[in-house]
Amino acid sequence: QVQLQESGPGLVKPSETLSLTCSVSGDSVSTGLYFWSWMRQPPGKGLEWIGHISHTGTTKYSPFLASRVTMSVDTSTNQLSLNLNSVSAADTAVYYCARTPRFGLLPTDYWGQGTLVTVSS
Amino acid sequence: DIQMTQSPSTLSASVGDRVTIACRASQSISTWLAWYQQKPGKAPKLLIYKAFSLESGVPSRFSGSGSGTEFTLTISSLQPDDFAAYYCHQYHTYPHTFGQGTKLEIK
Repeated sequence: QVQLQESGPGLVKPSETLSLTCSVSGDSVSTGLYFWSWMRQPPGKGLEWIGHISHTGTTKYSPFLASRVTMSVDTSTNQLSLNLNSVSAADTAVYYCARTPRFGLLPTDYWGQGTLVTVSS
Repeated sequence: DIQMTQSPSTLSASVGDRVTIACRASQSISTWLAWYQQKPGKAPKLLIYKAFSLESGVPSRFSGSGSGTEFTLTISSLQPDDFAAYYCHQYHTYPHTFGQGTKLEIK
């Protein structure tokens, strides 16, 4: 069974770059069967889709964040990365990485446990 | 963007009750609709996909229905473990979007 684990700094200063890594086990990010997704959830609020990346590095981003976000995939380490620049307090949230099947009309099925990132000076 | 609107935002119910949560899409999404359950401090858990298909391992008291713009999640007989937040999610059109959530509370 696939497992995903997010990691990175829990505190980021305003205007700086938020950088997170997601380690994937039990599956290979090299498989063409999935997109690898990022979502976030501000404290006490709902879920927001950030975007996803394929095994070839093809990305799809939310238009609200597209100007600030970069996703990458490292097949040698079986990891995903998320960078979000010019952060503000509005970017404070629990960030999740997740697996989304590319075929079969299927939604995101497996999620990491999430990591809280606070933007504050 | 497709807006997903859930109702109610909060629902108070008792163990054994039958409850229904509604989700409306701002435009047609066919049956590209999923439901997730989320407990405090935990990641969302997939319950329903393709509007009405039950994810493996999910109890049969959960069911989904609808197509186009109107969808419902029904829990036929509430169990103590069901008190949580529920989110609908459309994956038909980019950007994928979620409803604002429904908090199911113990009455």
